[in-house]
Amino acid sequence: DAGVTQSPTHLIKTRGQQVTLRCSPKSGHDTVSWYQQALGQGPQFIFQYYEEEERQRGNFPDRFSGHQFPNYSSELNVNALLLGDSALYLCASSHAGRLQETQYFGPGTRLLVL
Amino acid sequence: QKEVEQDPGPLSVPEGAIVSLNCTYSNSAFQYFMWYRQYSRKGPELLMYTYSSGNKEDGRFTAQVDKSSKYISLFIRDSQPSDSATYLCAMSDNYGQNFVFGPGTRLSVLP
Repeated sequence: DAGVTQSPTHLIKTRGQQVTLRCSPKSGHDTVSWYQQALGQGPQFIFQYYEEEERQRGNFPDRFSGHQFPNYSSELNVNALLLGDSALYLCASSHAGRLQETQYFGPGTRLLVL
Repeated sequence: QKEVEQDPGPLSVPEGAIVSLNCTYSNSAFQYFMWYRQYSRKGPELLMYTYSSGNKEDGRFTAQVDKSSKYISLFIRDSQPSDSATYLCAMSDNYGQNFVFGPGTRLSVLP
């Protein structure tokens, strides 16, 4: 079992550009959550997808959007990038209704916005 | 006041020491309490979770929750250099909503 995989591992973009990050969940998991982790901070919840729908959303602007596919994989899109969007973006997968005990994180995508 | 507070450290201890890591929180709706370990350049890894108040033990790790004080702790016995990492507390309400992480405590266990 490969666990949670994310691509790409690193990305450099300029202000105003758009970016798409990808995540494949752990085998058997059906729920995907995305987090933003700034340097020296804990992860901040962006949103969660289940059954191809956004089920919960954190305090992030509409520039952040996502998608979940029928195979449970997911994408995070960020439009009109700002310098402050530079961070580690983490994807986590879990069983629906058992997030607290089954949440597995991927290694993250490190995004640098210049 | 932040929703979840945690001493950022760094905390340095000698090998074999007992380590105590703590978080305080303000939201009384939190019912689930988790501890994650994050090594440098890796994603967080779930160590333990507890529901409501009480203690839970797993090998060298013990998690304690005191909801009346809004205070949670993680104890690591016989600490090893391989325990050197950032430890993140996290909590959520009953339905997994409002999942919040603390800022993390950086721990170094010196051989």
